[in-house]
This record gives sequence, structure tokens and C-alpha cells, in this order.
Amino acid sequence: NAGVTQTPKFRVLKTGQSMTLLCAQDMNHEYMYWYRQDPGMGLRLIHYSVGEGTTAKGEVPDGYNVSRLKKQNFLLGLESAAPSQTSVYFCASIGAGPIAAEAFFGQGTRLTVV
Amino acid sequence: AQTVTQSQPEMSVQEAETVTLSCTYDTSESDYYLFWYKQPPSRQMILVIRQEAYKQQNATENRFSVNFQKAAKSFSLKISDSQLGDAAMYFCAYWVQGAQKLVFGQGTRLTINP
Repeated sequence: NAGVTQTPKFRVLKTGQSMTLLCAQDMNHEYMYWYRQDPGMGLRLIHYSVGEGTTAKGEVPDGYNVSRLKKQNFLLGLESAAPSQTSVYFCASIGAGPIAAEAFFGQGTRLTVV
Repeated sequence: AQTVTQSQPEMSVQEAETVTLSCTYDTSESDYYLFWYKQPPSRQMILVIRQEAYKQQNATENRFSVNFQKAAKSFSLKISDSQLGDAAMYFCAYWVQGAQKLVFGQGTRLTINP
């Protein structure tokens, strides 16, 4: 079982460059989430999606865009990277239905903006 | 706003002893789930224990148990017989059925002293 896969695992960007992080899940989950993790801040929600074709803002959405064109994929885009976006990014997915809402996480992407 | 607060940035305990990590949350919803996740240096997020808000009985998983106080909105994690492998960041989180958001606290770094 692949579970949740994030691509890439590491990336260094120059200020102003753009990039897209891919999150892919093979569990047919409805809900998908993008977080950033910074020291002392926990995991802060950037954007999330409750189904194919839907997206919503989390608590720190500025500077990021997302798309969920296919149910299994959730893309996070940085249009013009800034040093403040240096962080570790995590994707997570949760299935709908009666089963308690366990989240499955990707392995994280360490992004450095110089 | 829905928030989760972990008031202990760092904790330490002697191997084989018991430690309790604190978590409080704020939600007006009645249908939600609470979680403790462990994040070792590998960065992988590992589910430790889960509690459904409608269940009065505290969840237990081997050496891990919770003290769920719904009226006080408190959800603490007790680790018994601490082991060196328990050293990690621990995150408290909740998922609200209505909002479908997974919200995390700031984390507590647990050190196990041999």
C-alpha cells in the first residue's frame, strides 16, 4: 500500500521562483489537507479539500494556491516563493464514512527558499 | 475559531516512569474526534490514540491512555512505563465532522532519560 505520497521530498528555490507540490493518495479518501510545520508552531493548515473539484482556505493560505482536479491528487502551488515559505510541508488525507477520522500523512517535503 | 493548545513545549521523563502530556481545545461542535500523533525524528506522523467525543470511556492503547474531560475540553495523554523509543514530538489534534478540518496543537517535545 502506497498510502499518501508527496513529491518532491526536498527542494531549494530561489526567491520569486514557482513550484508545485504533489500529494497523491490511493485510498479513495474524500478529504485532503496541506499543512506547513515550523518550529514551535505545530502543523498549520494551509488549504484543504472536501472532495474532487473543491478547495477551501485554512489558517495560513496567503501565498499558496491549490487544486483538486482528480480525487486522488491534491496540488499545492507557490507562485512566487518567499523566504518565509521555508518550511516542511505535509499532506494528509481522511476517508469519509462511519470509520473514525484517522488521517494518513505523506512523508513531508522540506522546502528551502533562498 | 477552532483551536488546540498544548501548554508544554517540552517534557522529560525517566525511562520506565509515567508522563502526562496536556491538551485543551476549543470547539462549539458536538461531533468530533480527538487524536494524539507522534512524530519521531524521521518526520513520519504516527497515530498514537484516538477518542470519539460521544464516547465517555477513555481510550487506551497498550501503554498509552487518555483522560478525556469533555466539559472542560481537555484531552491529556498518559504514557506509562516510558521507553526510549517514545522520545518524539507529540501533537494533539481534533477533527470536526461539520467543518471537516483537522486542527493541530503546537506540539510537545518529549525526552526520555535513560
